[in-house]
Amino acid sequence: GENVEQHPSTLSVQEGDSAVIKCTYSDSASNYFPWYKQELGKGPQLIIDIRSNVGEKKDQRIAVTLNKTAKHFSLHITETQPEDSAVYFCAATPGGAGNMLTFGGGTRLMVKP
Amino acid sequence: SAVISQKPSRDICQRGTSLTIQCQVDSQVTMMFWYRQQPGQSLTLIATANQGSEATYESGFVIDKFPISRPNLTFSTLTVSNMSPEDSSIYLCSVEWGLPEAFFGQGTRLTVV
Repeated sequence: GENVEQHPSTLSVQEGDSAVIKCTYSDSASNYFPWYKQELGKGPQLIIDIRSNVGEKKDQRIAVTLNKTAKHFSLHITETQPEDSAVYFCAATPGGAGNMLTFGGGTRLMVKP
Repeated sequence: SAVISQKPSRDICQRGTSLTIQCQVDSQVTMMFWYRQQPGQSLTLIATANQGSEATYESGFVIDKFPISRPNLTFSTLTVSNMSPEDSSIYLCSVEWGLPEAFFGQGTRLTVV
């Protein structure tokens, strides 16, 4: 089955700096890679995703890159703000109906004002 | 995206008792998933629930401990039976929305004393 590793487990940055979170996956059949943000007391919220036919995707201050050959993908947050502080999870799946997500271990991001 | 409501949002229960968690979606969905998130940990899939069929459980989870109902395309319940302190976790309902995006409810924070 799929195995997703996520690094770092904690990340502290100064407001305005960039943050990068990296994930690797094991199953070459995986073709969909979402990122979730989980704030305290809330469920995970989908913030961005990427499919295997795309190398990079950007949405305002958030971008995700994918290297299928190396089986790794990354989340980039620029100009971080205190409200970006949360736990971020990467995930991978082969996609298709009923193909469940395999999650990374999570990264606790702290943005210091 | 789908709006997913979970009840209760939190509960404190006595060991040996059972708790049923409800998940309501504002649209009809084929696949619903139940996850467990232990304190400070990532998400682990408990089971996949399709309407009209038995839930499919992941390794380490059994129907006697986590019975699931899926009576229609907008509703599901997860029961945590004969609870022990080790069952203290956040339980999350998720739906597959537009292959393969998945969205989560806000979670049920369970504490067993």
